[in-house]
Amino acid sequence: DTAVSQTPKYLVTQMGNDKSIKCEQNLGHDTMYWYKQDSKKFLKIMFSYNNKELIINETVPNRFSPKSPDKAHLNLHINSLELGDSAVYFCASSPHPGLAGEQFFGPGTRLTVL
Amino acid sequence: EDQVTQSPEALRLQEGESSSLNCSYTVSGLRGLFWYRQDPGKGPEFLFTLYSAGEEKEKERLKATLTKKESFLHITAPKPEDSATYLCAVRMDSSYKLIFGSGTRLLVRP
Repeated sequence: DTAVSQTPKYLVTQMGNDKSIKCEQNLGHDTMYWYKQDSKKFLKIMFSYNNKELIINETVPNRFSPKSPDKAHLNLHINSLELGDSAVYFCASSPHPGLAGEQFFGPGTRLTVL
Repeated sequence: EDQVTQSPEALRLQEGESSSLNCSYTVSGLRGLFWYRQDPGKGPEFLFTLYSAGEEKEKERLKATLTKKESFLHITAPKPEDSATYLCAVRMDSSYKLIFGSGTRLLVRP
């Protein structure tokens, strides 16, 4: 009965490769988010979708592209991976944007770029 | 620039030794301040929402308070299972995004 799940949990890849991280929530929430947590533990918002519509699009390289096939799924595709992309990526959801402060987070995907 | 600063970076307590964590913020138009707990290797877990100065919320050994410039997370008689990183985040008016602080790593020794 996992609420927010992410796959894979670990991802090790070479520079220049393209990879995807998948996220699914079974809470019936309308809003989903992607965050990056760097080595200093800062958690920074990257994107947010509400019912498949992009509502937050922070300044991230356009090598990062989110895709929301339906409101229960938000995937993150990364092209031409760079060393600096190594981090833990978290997916989260909230019932709707008005409750953006009360988010449910997934377990994270640790991305290592060699 | 909108900022959230947490102190101390790390805190070591003996079991039963009460203390407080601080979260100061400089944002225009606070829409809410939120506390989360993060265990190693896991995603953050929501704890509290505070909307206005003077508001307080409690949960077990934790109590969160809010003023116009900062929030405190008071931990009363902590136990080893309270060891975690505590994150605070703010949301501004007319924005759905959260700005997180860098967290306070709490270690409670038995």
